[in-house]
Amino acid sequence: SAVISQKPSRDICQRGTSLTIQCQVDSQVTMMFWYRQQPGQSLTLIATANQGSEATYESGFVIDKFPISRPNLTFSTLTVSNMSPEDSSIYLCSVVGDALGTDTQYFGPGTRLTVL
Amino acid sequence: KQEVTQIPAALSVPEGENLVLNCSFTDSAIYNLQWFRQDPGKGLTSLLLIQSSQREQTSGRLNASLDKSSGRSTLYIAASQPGDSATYLCAVSDSNSGYALNFGKGTSLLVTP
Repeated sequence: SAVISQKPSRDICQRGTSLTIQCQVDSQVTMMFWYRQQPGQSLTLIATANQGSEATYESGFVIDKFPISRPNLTFSTLTVSNMSPEDSSIYLCSVVGDALGTDTQYFGPGTRLTVL
Repeated sequence: KQEVTQIPAALSVPEGENLVLNCSFTDSAIYNLQWFRQDPGKGLTSLLLIQSSQREQTSGRLNASLDKSSGRSTLYIAASQPGDSATYLCAVSDSNSGYALNFGKGTSLLVTP
């Protein structure tokens, strides 16, 4: 299995500001994802964080709004830029694959973001 | 695009009952299906993973089945306990999403003492 930590665990931010969320994994993994869970909704994939190249974004999500870094196989960041109240959500990172020896996807504890 | 539906949206049962949660998906070309548990204010805990070639998986009081041709999966919980109270999420990966998951909206389960 994988142990995943996220920072911060929660934050309250003002409209128009940006927040960077960190995701740290205790083993090297090829595939890392970022999801969003809006209030009362299920999880929606934002992007796949690719090590050494640009992230791959899902329809409806753009790099200018959600820039992602993946400098190595154990760490990634997601920035929520120019925030509005509609960005209030839980943001989760997840990992799967090779070094873990299973197709099971493991999730971090999430970052609960409130935008005022 | 894969659509995942979970029924019922909410369920309340007395302790000790056996129960079934349902999940359906629209595209049968899946790689695997996972059941997760989400507790309030916490992340997701993986319960069971079923590969597309498998029919079922068991872990303790949990049994998950997969009928890929009909696009259905069920999660059976035996002898439910108050500690089972949580939201249960079904998610599939497929040829379009790769290893990324498409989630249902979940079933909110309350087990009363």
